This record gives sequence, C-alpha cells and structure tokens, in this order.
Amino acid sequence: EVQLLESGGGLVQPGGSLRLSCAASGFTFSSYAMSWVRQAPGKGLEWVSAISGSGGRTYYADSVKGRFTISRDNAKNTVYLQINSLRAEDTAVYFCAKCITIFGVQGLDYWGQGSLVTVSS
Amino acid sequence: QSVLTQPPSASGTPGQRVTISCSGSSSNIGSNYVYWYQQLPGTAPKLLIYRNTQRPSGVPDRFSGSKSGTSASLAISGLRSEDEADYYCAAWDDSLSGYVFGTGTKVTVL
Repeated sequence: EVQLLESGGGLVQPGGSLRLSCAASGFTFSSYAMSWVRQAPGKGLEWVSAISGSGGRTYYADSVKGRFTISRDNAKNTVYLQINSLRAEDTAVYFCAKCITIFGVQGLDYWGQGSLVTVSS
Repeated sequence: QSVLTQPPSASGTPGQRVTISCSGSSSNIGSNYVYWYQQLPGTAPKLLIYRNTQRPSGVPDRFSGSKSGTSASLAISGLRSEDEADYYCAAWDDSLSGYVFGTGTKVTVL
C-alpha cells in the first residue's frame, strides 16, 4: 500500500524558514518523480514544485522560484521542501504527491494527508 | 491566477449527468495530457482521470474525460450523493514549464 506522510509544518513568522518532509512507502521510490502541491485556506490547488526520480531535475512554480528548494533522499525514501523567506501568502496546506512518471509532472496518483504551514507574526 | 478556467459550480439531481469544462491554451491542454482530480471535503485530492481519458483502477466508469483542442471536459453520469466534491483539471504548461491546475468546480448534488 502506497503511503505518503508529511511532517514539518507549523506556525512560522514572516521571513522565517521551514523544511517539510514527506516519507514514502509502498513503492519503488526512486522510480517516480515527486511533487508538492499547496492549498491556501478556502482556495484551490496550486502546484509548487517537483523533482525527478533521481533528483537530477527539479521544477518550480514561478511564485516560489528562488525561495523554495525541493530535494530527495532515495536511501531514506523521503522528499523535502525547504521554504525560505516565508510570506503570509505561503500559508496553506502542503500536500506531497507521487507522480505517475519518473520525469516531469504528469498525473499525481497518490497524495499525503497534508501539512499545514501558517505564516503569521 | 490559474491559466486553466473552469466553471465555479455545477449541480444535478441523483442519476443525472453533469459535465465540467476546462479551458486552456495551446501551451497546456493543446499540447499536453489533461488530468482530473476529485477533492472531497476535508480530504486530499484523488486522481480521477489521467492522460485525457484513462481511469485509474477503482474509479467508477461513471466518470469519463475527453479533450478537444485547447479544452477538456469531465462528465459524471448517474450522479450520486458521494460525488459532491471539488473537481480540478490540470496539465503541464510548456510556456510556464510548470504544472497548472484549473480554478476548480464545486459539484453539488441537489
């Protein structure tokens, strides 16, 4: 059974940093790209970032480029999202999701339960 | 501001057919696969349709997807109360070099 478990969310002050983690199990982790998607309270889905199976290719939404860094540790079956220079508009539930391919972002067939990041002073 | 436009709401009575549209452009829907997601209240999204028309294992055949040019549609036939959810289309956008979601459509079963 595929499972994705996010952690690392919480309350952070504007300008602060946070690292989200997503521990995966139930599939060959290195064979699939992984992605992060966020959802602000009461709003729609926004794709944030993705990383290829090997970790050699990364992709970012323009809204987070330069502030967010995605990485993965295939030995630990874990994908990370480092979030810097946090802004109020980054407040959202952050979902980790498994891609259906090894490169790029196509379908996202399994999702974690989400981790809430709140940016407030 | 999403580049994929969906109607904000759609509704129907049990048993009816509901169709949700997703309008994009040549850089996203026009040149890439379309995906559809269902998000039940308070839960994570679920992949409903992949590569325009394909259903993952376990998704009822009441759900079907189609694509024509720069637009796509999701149809729900035999509407059921458990279909009440938010639905999002998505596609890779070559110009943005990013994955884009639609604005979302809330389906209500009357």
